[in-house]
Parts: sequence; C-alpha cells; structure tokens
Amino acid sequence: DIQMTQSPSSLSASVGDRVTITCRASQNINSYLNWYQHKSGNSPKLLIYATSTLQDGVPRRFSGSGSGTDYTLTISGLQSDDFATYYCQQSSSTTWTFGQGTKVEIK
Amino acid sequence: QLQLQESGPGLVKPSETLSLTCTVSGFSVSSSVYSWGWLRQPPGKGLEWIGTIYSSGSTYYNPSLKSRVTLSVDTSRNQFSLNLNSVIAADSSVYYCARRGFYSGSKRDFYYFDYWGQGTLVTVSS
Repeated sequence: DIQMTQSPSSLSASVGDRVTITCRASQNINSYLNWYQHKSGNSPKLLIYATSTLQDGVPRRFSGSGSGTDYTLTISGLQSDDFATYYCQQSSSTTWTFGQGTKVEIK
Repeated sequence: QLQLQESGPGLVKPSETLSLTCTVSGFSVSSSVYSWGWLRQPPGKGLEWIGTIYSSGSTYYNPSLKSRVTLSVDTSRNQFSLNLNSVIAADSSVYYCARRGFYSGSKRDFYYFDYWGQGTLVTVSS
C-alpha cells in the first residue's frame, strides 16, 4: 500500500493566519491527491481534487499544490469555520489510502 | 440534491456480521460512470477506505479487509450495502458511505469521494 504521511499532526493558529499542511506519499502518486476537511460530528467534505482543483463551493482561500511524492494544502487567511481536521488521500493505486490527519486548532 | 444515508445496527457482537445499507436519493446508483464506496473511522483515529463497488457489481476491496468484506448493490432500491464478517472490537467505527466522483482531465481521469453520508457508529461488543 502507498503510505501517506501528513505534517504536522496538529497546529494552533489564529484567524487570519496562513496555514500550510504537508502530505508526503511513500511513492510517486502522479498528482492523484485529494484533500478533505472533517469537522467532528459531520461527514468529511471534499476540498480539493487532482492536487489543485477546488471542489465547487469551496472558498478560494484554500489551495493545493505539489507533484511526485510531496503535496501541500494552504489556507490563506484562516477563518473561524476552518478549524477542523484535514486529510490527504491518494487515488493513484487501487487501494486508496489517507494521511493520518492534521488537526487545526484555535490559538 | 444527492444524498446518502447509512442504516443498520449500531451494536454487533464479536464474531458476527456487520451489515450496513446506504440509501441514495437524488442520483441513480445504476450510473455507469460513478461508483460507490464505504469508509470508516475508528474512534480517535483517521479515515480508512473499505471498498468500492460499481453498478455492474465489480468491486475493489482494501487488502487488509478483503477476506471479510462483501459489497453489493441493489439498483431496484437505489441502495448499496456492506457486509463485514467475523467482527472484532477493532472494527468499532463510524462507517460512511460515499459516491466516488471523477474529473476527466486532458489526459487522464481523477477520482475522489465527493458526496458522503452522515456516518453511522457501529460498536462491536458482547
């Protein structure tokens, strides 16, 4: 299986901050990388697919980039609604795998 | 508006079979281009993909669960289902059903889960 490693596991940030979350795959996943936002008690929400394409309705403060094995989710201007856990997920192989999650908390 | 709703027992005894159904509204599970998946999240842990099924019945399973998992689809009821046998305490999780969507790029297709059910907590305990 392709292992996905996110960093950091958690972070504290303030409203307005720029936040960056990194996801590293154990092998080249050729941009088959998706990002989800998960708030406790809710179902995960697709934010970005194919490394950098925003899902409909997702605010433009979210952006994604990367290639090969290294990928990044950036939130430019953190809002109170953005405090949640974020997961990367690869769809390069037939066995889809997720990162362990990054919890974004209020400083 | 596409919606998915999981249903099934919230408590299953060890060694028995966990059975869940996902009812889809606002979209047909018979679609030949979309497929349907199950995922889970144990308490305090991350997300795990269980498997994916097409309306044709073709399936892909997580190798770690493959020996115990069966997915099926009922197009007449617009539902798909998960059976996980020989459950143990570690199978206690919130289980989600989801639609596997896709994007056709210039040279290749990309896949993701774009619609999710609200999730249902299943506890394995005697």
